[in-house]
Amino acid sequence: AQSVAQPEDQVNVAEGNPLTVKCTYSVSGNPYLFWYVQYPNRGLQFLLKYITGDNLVKGSYGFEAEFNKSQTSFHLKKPSALVSDSALYFCAVRDGRHAAGNKLTFGGGTRVLVKP
Amino acid sequence: DGGITQSPKYLFRKEGQNVTLSCEQNLNHDAMYWYRQDPGQGLRLIYYSQIVNDFQKGDIAEGYSVSREKKESFPLTVTSAQKNPTAFYLCASTSTGTGNTDTQYFGPGTRLTVL
Repeated sequence: AQSVAQPEDQVNVAEGNPLTVKCTYSVSGNPYLFWYVQYPNRGLQFLLKYITGDNLVKGSYGFEAEFNKSQTSFHLKKPSALVSDSALYFCAVRDGRHAAGNKLTFGGGTRVLVKP
Repeated sequence: DGGITQSPKYLFRKEGQNVTLSCEQNLNHDAMYWYRQDPGQGLRLIYYSQIVNDFQKGDIAEGYSVSREKKESFPLTVTSAQKNPTAFYLCASTSTGTGNTDTQYFGPGTRLTVL
C-alpha cells in the first residue's frame, strides 16, 4: 500500500518570503514522487518529480523539492513567493516497481495563500 | 492542460440518470485514468486503462463504468447506482514508456452536479 500525507490544510505566506509545503509518504518499493498545482476549476498542472539521482529537484515556476529518504519526505519549496502562487498543491507518490501499474496516490492537498 | 480535453466543463444530472463524461487525448499516450475530487480531499482513482480494450478498477469504482475502444478516448459513465456523484472529475494520461517514470498529465476537468 502507498500513502501520502500533507499535514497542513493551508499555508499563509507574505509575498517575497520563502514558501514551504510539506509532504511525507509511505510506499513499499522505490518512491516516485510528484508535485502538482491546481488553480480554481482547473485541472492539475505538473510542477516537478523525483525519480532517482540528486535529492534536490528543480521544477517549473521557480519551485524545487527536496527528497529525504530517511524522513520519507518530499517538501516543496520556493525561495520567494508570488501572489500568483496562491493555489492548491498536491503531492503524489507511486511505487517505482513496474508491476505497480503507474497508479498515483495523492495527498489531501495544501492551499497556499500568498498575501501582498 | 494541453493535449487532453474533457467535455462538458459543467454537467447537471437529475437523480436516476446516467451521464457520460468525455476524455480525449492527442498525446499518443497508452494509459488513461479517471479521478474524482471532492472539496477538501485529494484525488481518488476511479478506473484506469493501460491499453486499448482493457481497464481496471481503481479505489472507488462502484457506480461508474468505462470503455477504452480507442487509444485516444476513455469515456466515464456515472450511473444511477453512484449514490453521491456530485464532484469534480479529472482525466489523466501517461505514456507507459520503457523507463516507466512518466508523468501523468491532466485534463481541465468536468464538474458534475446532481440536482
